[in-house]
Amino acid sequence: IAGITQAPTSQILAAGRRMTLRCTQDMRHNAMYWYRQDLGLGLRLIHYSNTAGTTGKGEVPDGYSVSRANTDDFPLTLASAVPSQTSVYFCASSLKMNTEAFFGQGTRLTVV
Amino acid sequence: AQSVTQLDSQVPVFEEAPVELRCNYSSSVSVYLFWYVQYPNQGLQLLLKYLSGSTLVKGINGFEAEFNKSQTSFHLRKPSVHISDTAEYFCAVSEAKGAQKLVFGQGTRLTINP
Repeated sequence: IAGITQAPTSQILAAGRRMTLRCTQDMRHNAMYWYRQDLGLGLRLIHYSNTAGTTGKGEVPDGYSVSRANTDDFPLTLASAVPSQTSVYFCASSLKMNTEAFFGQGTRLTVV
Repeated sequence: AQSVTQLDSQVPVFEEAPVELRCNYSSSVSVYLFWYVQYPNQGLQLLLKYLSGSTLVKGINGFEAEFNKSQTSFHLRKPSVHISDTAEYFCAVSEAKGAQKLVFGQGTRLTINP
C-alpha cells in the first residue's frame, strides 16, 4: 500500500544521545515535512523540503537537522537529545508545497 | 503569511446531535483550505479540501465544510455525529499560488457523549 512509513514507532532515549527518525514515502511526492505534536500546541513544523536536495527551516528547527538525498527519504536527526524534545513526531509528504499532505503514523519519542 | 485560528479547543456533543467546528484563516492572497482528522494514536487523515469552485465541500464520513471568503472562514459541520467521530480535528491553509507550505490550526478535540 502506497504511503509514508516512519520508524521507529516509539523510542525511549537517554538525554545527550543522538537519534535519527526515519521517514520514507513511495508516492513520488516532491515535498516532505517533519512536525512535532505536543498537547495544547497542535502541529509545529520542524523542517521541510521542497524537493530532493533542498531543505528549509520551519517554526521550531533548533536541535534538529534533516537531509534529503533522494525523493523518497527524509530523515530527522536529533544531534544531542534533550527532555524538551519529548514529543510525537510526524512525517508528511505532498505532491507540491501547497497541496494536501499525507501523514505517517508517527514516532513517539521520550527523552529521559 | 497565512495563519489559521480554530476557535474552540474542545467541543463536547451528544451522539446524533449536529456539530460545527470553527476555523478562520488570515491571508492576503487566494487560499486552499483543508480539514484533517486524527483518531487516537494515529496520524492525520484528510477529511476534505477546498481548492476552487463550489464553496460547499463534502468529505468523508458525512462531514462537509463551507468556504466563506467574506468572513475568511471554513467551518466544518456534520448533521448527526457518532461515537466513532471522537477525534482531534485540524484546519489547515496554504496559498493557492506559490510555494508556501501548509499552516495548521491548533486543533479541536471533538468528544461524543452517548
